[in-house]
Amino acid sequence: GENVEQHPSTLSVQEGDSAVIKCTYSDSASNYFPWYKQELGKRPQLIIDIRSNVGEKKDQRIAVTLNKTAKHFSLHITETQPEDSAVYFCAARTNAGKSTFGDGTTLTVKP
Amino acid sequence: EAGVAQSPRYKIIEKRQSVAFWCNPISGHATLYWYQQILGQGPKLLIQFQNNGVVDDSQLPKDRFSAERLKGVDSTLKIQPAKLEDSAVYLCASSFATGLFSYEQYFGPGTRLTVT
Repeated sequence: GENVEQHPSTLSVQEGDSAVIKCTYSDSASNYFPWYKQELGKRPQLIIDIRSNVGEKKDQRIAVTLNKTAKHFSLHITETQPEDSAVYFCAARTNAGKSTFGDGTTLTVKP
Repeated sequence: EAGVAQSPRYKIIEKRQSVAFWCNPISGHATLYWYQQILGQGPKLLIQFQNNGVVDDSQLPKDRFSAERLKGVDSTLKIQPAKLEDSAVYLCASSFATGLFSYEQYFGPGTRLTVT
């Protein structure tokens, strides 16, 4: 089955700096790659996603890149703010809709 | 639009007891998922329904877990008997459809289960 590895597990940055989280996947059938933000005690919320026919997608301070050949994708957050502090999960999904999640990255943005 | 509803929000049971969780997806969403999220880990898919049929239940511990989605709308997930390692948050999610174009999953608030 699919295996998704996410790094780093924790990340601490200064406010205004950039943060990068990386994920690798194993199943070449995966074609949809969402990123979720989960605040303590709350449900995961989709922040950005990318499909396999696209190499990069940007939404204001957030961007995602995908390298299908290497089977890895990354989340980039620029100009980080304290409210960006949360746990971020990547996921890989197949056509059948089965999603496999990474184990999460705890991002702390220091004021 | 109303979101995914789940109940109860919290449940504490003793090991070997049984428990049931309920999920009501967003209206019109054909696909429903149940995930188990253990503290410090990402959500793990337990079962996926397309309408009232099971698409994937390969990671569902079928000796103790069962799920159904009668009439293709609401769903229940049951654990019988519960073990200590079942302590987790159980998340229900729904999406409009699956297939060639994947759609966003919307998560419910989850049920936090503690097994003592």
